Amino acid sequence: EAQVTQNPRYLITVTGKKLTVTCSQNMNHEYMSWYRQDPGLGLRQIYYSMNVEVTDKGDVPEGYKVSRKEKRNFPLILESPSPNQTSLYFCASGVGAGANYGYTFGSGTRLTVV
Amino acid sequence: AQTVTQSQPEMSVQEAETVTLSCTYDTSESDYYLFWYKQPPSRQMILVIRQEAYKQQNATENRFSVNFQKAAKSFSLKISDSQLGDAAMYFCALTLMEYGNKLVFGAGTILRVKS
Repeated sequence: EAQVTQNPRYLITVTGKKLTVTCSQNMNHEYMSWYRQDPGLGLRQIYYSMNVEVTDKGDVPEGYKVSRKEKRNFPLILESPSPNQTSLYFCASGVGAGANYGYTFGSGTRLTVV
Repeated sequence: AQTVTQSQPEMSVQEAETVTLSCTYDTSESDYYLFWYKQPPSRQMILVIRQEAYKQQNATENRFSVNFQKAAKSFSLKISDSQLGDAAMYFCALTLMEYGNKLVFGAGTILRVKS
């Protein structure tokens, strides 16, 4: 089954404790991206990657890191989480010229930073 | 900069009736794509319908159709014969045709379906 797998689904952590949210896709998509969803703001892009070793900032990259060492994996790293990073996070991958055919989304990660 | 505006935070519809969700957008480009995504309580993001800006014909997918007005920069979603399973948050989104471009989302509209 074609899918984007995100883990964990829920995560509660303390301020300053490094964490990684994993994302893997099995569709051989070149394009992958991370979004955060906040009430009243919709989804905002954090980082995206056009291919292996090619990443770039989205609209809200502060406090986040990503890497793309393999085509299928695109982990999101929070080196020192803060309460304002409490959010719902989505990983997505796309086919075609960037996002033009629509993304396939992961199931989301609900992150709470206390 | 691209922006997407959904002016209806919440909408309600009676089962079997028709409802229209509004979306306006702003971009200086002439070639782009527009989408509607559905997010049910399971929070999974599901692609409902896609429209290519250079195509005049409005996209349709079963009970879902759009009214795309390029000059007015309007992209509304019509759901016919509403079902209980249509209850969800609906997001309108825009992307340019350039490779590597992002989806820009509106704030979303919560749709409630009454039985």
